[in-house]
Amino acid sequence: DAKTTQPTSMDCAEGRAANLPCNHSTISGNEYVYWYRQIHSQGPQYIIHGLKNNETNEMASLIITEDRKSSTLILPHATLRDTAVYYCIVRPTSNTGNQFYFGTGTSLTVIP
Amino acid sequence: SAVISQKPSRDICQRGTSLTIQCQVDSQVTMMFWYRQQPGQSLTLIATANQGSEATYESGFVIDKFPISRPNLTFSTLTVSNMSPEDSSIYLCSVGYSGASSYEQYFGPGTRLTVT
Repeated sequence: DAKTTQPTSMDCAEGRAANLPCNHSTISGNEYVYWYRQIHSQGPQYIIHGLKNNETNEMASLIITEDRKSSTLILPHATLRDTAVYYCIVRPTSNTGNQFYFGTGTSLTVIP
Repeated sequence: SAVISQKPSRDICQRGTSLTIQCQVDSQVTMMFWYRQQPGQSLTLIATANQGSEATYESGFVIDKFPISRPNLTFSTLTVSNMSPEDSSIYLCSVGYSGASSYEQYFGPGTRLTVT
């Protein structure tokens, strides 16, 4: 079962930063936070993941609160191609299972 | 990252028939999964495809309806049996690599199934 809560939808102006929140108040100490996105008619695409520290890659930044009960995905300069559904997922670090359980996600619309 | 292909990419099928979806990966992977995405909905995990043994199904999914094969480390099939219009969905294959404490899961492009 999904253990995350996200807003249903958000808008962001093109060129501005998109900040997508996620609540995971029941996260365990051994669980990572993952972000995926799904552009219309495509399979989900991996964006970033983290455990405790903030993470940054070429696509986005992930800010995890100190208590780990929430996180924010930041797309620093949103483009029209970033319009997609963004999924926040928590997954244990152990190798058993490895399944991802998706919640409802946030539909992000980047506006010209 | 893995390159995953699925066949067919889409199909329209008659009710009562069965369709087998193929998933091919360009490298050996430990974990393979099958998901369903009903229209306008999020992804739901159907099962974990285990190489050399029976798949592990999630609650609400059974082998008789969704038989799965995984003959080797790069290939798996999902069959949707005795289809009804409620089976109209996108079916996605995904793969993951075990052995790391944090790993990534990669998804195929999906198979769009319409049952009439």
